[in-house]
Amino acid sequence: GESVGLHLPTLSVQEGDNSIINCAYSNSASDYFIWYKQESGKGPQFIIDIRSNMDKRQGQRVTVLLNKTVKHLSLQIAATQPGDSAVYFCAENPPGYSTLTFGKGTMLLVSP
Amino acid sequence: NAGVTQTPKFQVLKTGQSMTLQCAQDMNHEYMSWYRQDPGMGLRLIHYSVGAGITDQGEVPNGYNVSRSTTEDFPLRLLSAAPSQTSVYFCASSRTGYSNQPQHFGDGTRLSIL
Repeated sequence: GESVGLHLPTLSVQEGDNSIINCAYSNSASDYFIWYKQESGKGPQFIIDIRSNMDKRQGQRVTVLLNKTVKHLSLQIAATQPGDSAVYFCAENPPGYSTLTFGKGTMLLVSP
Repeated sequence: NAGVTQTPKFQVLKTGQSMTLQCAQDMNHEYMSWYRQDPGMGLRLIHYSVGAGITDQGEVPNGYNVSRSTTEDFPLRLLSAAPSQTSVYFCASSRTGYSNQPQHFGDGTRLSIL
């Protein structure tokens, strides 16, 4: 399998718990942020995004919070399931750039 | 409903060999990009294209070439493979080249250079 998970921060939770994954971004001018989920052997999968004019956005079982004051992004997963086990990446998009800058990722391990 | 398709899925090369990694999308997306992913490094942008005939360099472009002759295809060429290019390569696309667009990824090409 892939070794993308080596040296990553790891969050271990029990099935049914709520999970919070944190991300610090680098560019205070970034105006768009995305969370991706990457399962072993797969490409990153889009979970949820948020624009800088918002503080919070909710999806199905997921919520993204944005704190621009401290350049912090978090992903909350409600009622975590074993299928949520993966590496989670945040990405930021500085204004005017058609590129994304990715964080190094956090591995989420969900035990039954 | 193929999305972004990358071929091959796995490849082993010898140092100095050349190779082209293929990427195709069927969503009529204007924007396409190539990333490499190394352990503990996240994804780093190699090259990107905001439309057919337009390409630009990302964070780590050295040793790689790209072209965009059609909207659908965005091949990545390794001119003379080096062990430092051992990595997992991902292609991604989004509807336009403007910001505020989620990118959609293929499942990657796992490349080993001996």
